[in-house]
Amino acid sequence: GAVVSQHPSRVICKSGTSVKIECRSLDFQATTMFWYRQFPKQSLMLMATSNEGSKATYEQGVEKDKFLINHASLTLSTLTVTSAHPEDSSFYICSARGGTVGSPLHFGNGTRLTVT
Amino acid sequence: RKEVEQDPGPFNVPEGATVAFNCTYSNSASQSFFWYRQDCRKEPKLLMSVYSSGNEDGRFTAQLNRASQYISLLIRDSKLSDSATYLCVVICYNNNDMRFGAGTRLTVKP
Repeated sequence: GAVVSQHPSRVICKSGTSVKIECRSLDFQATTMFWYRQFPKQSLMLMATSNEGSKATYEQGVEKDKFLINHASLTLSTLTVTSAHPEDSSFYICSARGGTVGSPLHFGNGTRLTVT
Repeated sequence: RKEVEQDPGPFNVPEGATVAFNCTYSNSASQSFFWYRQDCRKEPKLLMSVYSSGNEDGRFTAQLNRASQYISLLIRDSKLSDSATYLCVVICYNNNDMRFGAGTRLTVKP
């Protein structure tokens, strides 16, 4: 079964609104979670690394004020796309891993965001 | 130079063919290595971990060469259902570094 749950799986919103996406690790504690974005027919792109109890680390070119990340507990990280615009329409995916060497990444099922 | 580089592909092969992908990494402190499979419009799913001694799972064989800093994935007797994008993931837990390749697209044709 899934070990990382992402919600919602699909969202359609109007331009200017904010959308929150949740990523939960179900049976392990994830001190680190990652957020990605993937446009159609393109590679996965890492947006940010989310660390429990501290600020997220954003990749170059990703606006931290637009993509707000909160990792308030060891099992939950949220990504909020603020003031969404049509160009933010994409497939957003999270992943989480355990803290021990050898722990693989487990990906959430992704959120397909469409901004109209 | 990218931290993790993969064969760009696409690979188009007939059913039954053997195909191999490589992935090179630049961080010599990397500790764990994985291959993932991503189907269209879905999230990546773990295919297999890669161990120093090499490991096999059915038609799939993964190998790690630490000296040359690359990992490989070999698929034997390709099936139509193997068509997907294959991603390599490289993790260094000490400094919380996680990098992945751009993915290699494989299409297996009848």
